[in-house]
Amino acid sequence: NAGVMQNPRHLVRRRGQEARLRCSPMKGHSHVYWYRQLPEEGLKFMVYLQKENIIDESGMPKERFSAEFPKEGPSILRIQQVVRGDSAAYFCASSFGLGEETQYFGPGTRLLVL
Amino acid sequence: TQLLEQSPQFLSIQEGENLTVYCNSSSVFSSLQWYRQEPGEGPVLLVTVVTGGEVKKLKRLTFQFGDARKDSSLHITAAQPGDTGLYLCAGARGSTLGRLYFGRGTQLTVWP
Repeated sequence: NAGVMQNPRHLVRRRGQEARLRCSPMKGHSHVYWYRQLPEEGLKFMVYLQKENIIDESGMPKERFSAEFPKEGPSILRIQQVVRGDSAAYFCASSFGLGEETQYFGPGTRLLVL
Repeated sequence: TQLLEQSPQFLSIQEGENLTVYCNSSSVFSSLQWYRQEPGEGPVLLVTVVTGGEVKKLKRLTFQFGDARKDSSLHITAAQPGDTGLYLCAGARGSTLGRLYFGRGTQLTVWP
């Protein structure tokens, strides 16, 4: 199965700790997107990355949040000094190329901040 | 503000009934995608529509993209309990490449 992989599936952190969420795109895909889903809300775009480049981070909070997609290895969404309001489901999606607008989603990471 | 409005928000029907879910906007989209999401899982792509007026069929599901590419509908014929789930529409805009704008979803429950 060459689908989008995310880990961990569930993550519990205490306030002030760091959360690292990983995403491996589908085989052959070089474009990665991160979305956040809060209860009663739709998925909200956070950031769009290609290998070693951040293309659009306009949906990501400017403080405490960062994302990377290195040349080798998975994409990482990093949340520093987590607060309770960061509790949500975080989804990664990938696509083949910029012209390929169909995005395929991973199973998500459920982050709970205590 | 939500760029895409889905209706209804909740839909509860009996097996065998037909239903239509709507996805509306005042903005134009270059493409629109429909996903279904199960609890605890990620959205699973059902279809992508690109051309205004396009109609796509997937077994008992019929998807339509509005002529002006501002709206879309999903029609399910003879619904089955296996159709239960959260249906999401998501649009792509040429001005913000890569980003998908999601509606809040329609939670469909089909009772046997």
